[in-house]
Amino acid sequence: SAVISQKPSRDICQRGTSLTIQCQVDSQVTMMFWYRQQPGQSLTLIATANQGSEATYESGFVIDKFPISRPNLTFSTLTVSNMSPEDSSIYLCSAGTPRSYEQYFGPGTRLTVT
Amino acid sequence: AQTVTQSQPEMSVQEAETVTLSCTYDTSESNYYLFWYKQPPSRQMILVIRQEAYKQQNATENRFSVNFQKAAKSFSLKISDSQLGDTAMYFCAFMKRGRGGANNLFFGTGTRLTVIP
Repeated sequence: SAVISQKPSRDICQRGTSLTIQCQVDSQVTMMFWYRQQPGQSLTLIATANQGSEATYESGFVIDKFPISRPNLTFSTLTVSNMSPEDSSIYLCSAGTPRSYEQYFGPGTRLTVT
Repeated sequence: AQTVTQSQPEMSVQEAETVTLSCTYDTSESNYYLFWYKQPPSRQMILVIRQEAYKQQNATENRFSVNFQKAAKSFSLKISDSQLGDTAMYFCAFMKRGRGGANNLFFGTGTRLTVIP
């Protein structure tokens, strides 16, 4: 298994600003993902974070709004840019190990935009 | 495209009783995995149980078991001897089998389970 930490755990931000969320895994993983969970909703995949190359975004999500970095096999960041109240959500990082198809999740970052 | 449907937004069960949560999915894939995740109020997503589509035998993890009906594309979760700590949101999820290990997950809308003392 993998243990995943995220920082910050929560934040309250003003409209128009940006927030960068960090995701750290305690072991080397092949796949890292970022999900969004809007209030009372299910999880929706934002993008797959690729090590050393541009992230792969799902329909409805664009790099200018959600830039993602993954400089190595254990770390990734998601930035929520030019925030609006509609961006208020929980953002979760997950990772999969090379030998397993299971995904392990971080504790999430609760973002509130005022 | 894959879709996952959970038709029960909320359910409740008496402590020590058994409850079954329903999930159906739609896919054209032949190789895939199915999961049940639990999300308690702490919001940490916890893997409860997994099922490989190529296995006919239903997965079991202690008090948790599934009824996997591949032809019907149905994947229900049975919780036996329900405990107060089982109170949580439960998500059914689908993953297409990939070459490099884990792939992205498609989630259902969730079922909020409350265990009543």
